[in-house]
Amino acid sequence: GAVVSQHPSRVICKSGTSVKIECRSLDFQATTMFWYRQFPKQSLMLMATSNEGSKATYEQGVEKDKFLINHASLTLSTLTVTSAHPEDSSFYICSASGTPPNEQFFGPGTRLTVL
Amino acid sequence: QQQVKQSPQSLIVQKGGISIINCAYENTAFDYFPWYQQFPGKGPALLIAIRPDVSEKKEGRFTISFNKSAKQFSLHIMDSQPGDSATYFCAASMNNQGGKLIFGQGTELSVKP
Repeated sequence: GAVVSQHPSRVICKSGTSVKIECRSLDFQATTMFWYRQFPKQSLMLMATSNEGSKATYEQGVEKDKFLINHASLTLSTLTVTSAHPEDSSFYICSASGTPPNEQFFGPGTRLTVL
Repeated sequence: QQQVKQSPQSLIVQKGGISIINCAYENTAFDYFPWYQQFPGKGPALLIAIRPDVSEKKEGRFTISFNKSAKQFSLHIMDSQPGDSATYFCAASMNNQGGKLIFGQGTELSVKP
């Protein structure tokens, strides 16, 4: 399958700071990228969908001003958690899909801890 | 109608046994049904997927059975091994929604040696 990377794999930050997470598709062009968050022992919750060059579509209840998503190229999407608070601590996972759009390939995830 | 219901929540199987995880959906517009395997601290990995025009798909020890009329699909892991111990998620998506996946709740599988 296709390879998706995420960076960093773990990040610890102080409350009030912003954190950027990168998601890259390494061997294919990702027309669509998805961002999920996952709490312990729970399923993946879709936060937003982004298409290259377009504004992201956020799921209901996800604050677009807090979780900034940029999909500037067919191989890179970034998620910035602005003014992070302890309740934002979670496992953030991206996925990418090409054409056809159904098959999604997931990154290894980023563990965010906000102190 | 967008939900995918997965059961059981947890499953313990002896080495060499068959692990069976079930999922049910309501929306008949779903046209892609993947299963993902996730190890602790890692992202999910696509295991096997099926489309509604076939009733069964087999890849190695993993088989998806699909019942379109009942709106159910299941994952069978034959000859289960301790290395299969992980959390498994079923999902469903519609092509006309850009591949957005609706995930089941997950099943934590433990294979005992």
